[in-house]
Amino acid sequence: KAGVTQTPRYLIKTRGQQVTLSCSPISGHRSVSWYQQTPGQGLQFLFEYFSETQRNKGNFPGRFSGRQFSNSRSEMNVSTLELGDSALYLCASSLVGTQGTEAFFGQGTRLTVV
Amino acid sequence: QKEVEQDPGPLSVPEGAIVSLNCTYSNSAFQYFMWYRQYSRKGPELLMYTYSSGNKEDGRFTAQVDKSSKYISLFIRDSQPSDSATYLCAMFSNSGYALNFGKGTSLLVTP
Repeated sequence: KAGVTQTPRYLIKTRGQQVTLSCSPISGHRSVSWYQQTPGQGLQFLFEYFSETQRNKGNFPGRFSGRQFSNSRSEMNVSTLELGDSALYLCASSLVGTQGTEAFFGQGTRLTVV
Repeated sequence: QKEVEQDPGPLSVPEGAIVSLNCTYSNSAFQYFMWYRQYSRKGPELLMYTYSSGNKEDGRFTAQVDKSSKYISLFIRDSQPSDSATYLCAMFSNSGYALNFGKGTSLLVTP
């Protein structure tokens, strides 16, 4: 069965631009969550969506936003990019996203802001 | 202080050794614990998933949870060079919708 697909795999953007990342979860999974991974901070939770509703949001500025579509695919958007936004952005897919369900990750999108 | 602490290593062992990786946590509401393996420039791969205290074995991997001590471990038997990766522990927050990760331990298994 197909895994979690994230596109694009790599992106280079300039400060001040905006970017949209995409995640297609495992078929049948309705929860999609997003994480930012940096060498200094490790994996940090951005937000989680279930059935097109955001259920939880991490401690990130409002420049980071997301949405989920009726087919469970999700996008995250970062506006007014800063150098510090350079990171690996990971999407995780799970059946219902709560305690007791396994979370599977995609390969990530590596964003470089110059 | 982070809710999940993990020694970043690096940990270097010879091929065939038993590897012990550990995490401590502070939130007693955590009940579900996972171990992920992440190769360089790849996404984390789920290795083990455990609930509450006790042991769980899967091939060369054993996950151990001690809730009374807020301590979890992953043991790798007969380690192989292909096990060289970063190992991340993770646990669900009490809100249920977010995983709390350790920073990962870098493991190198030398032939």
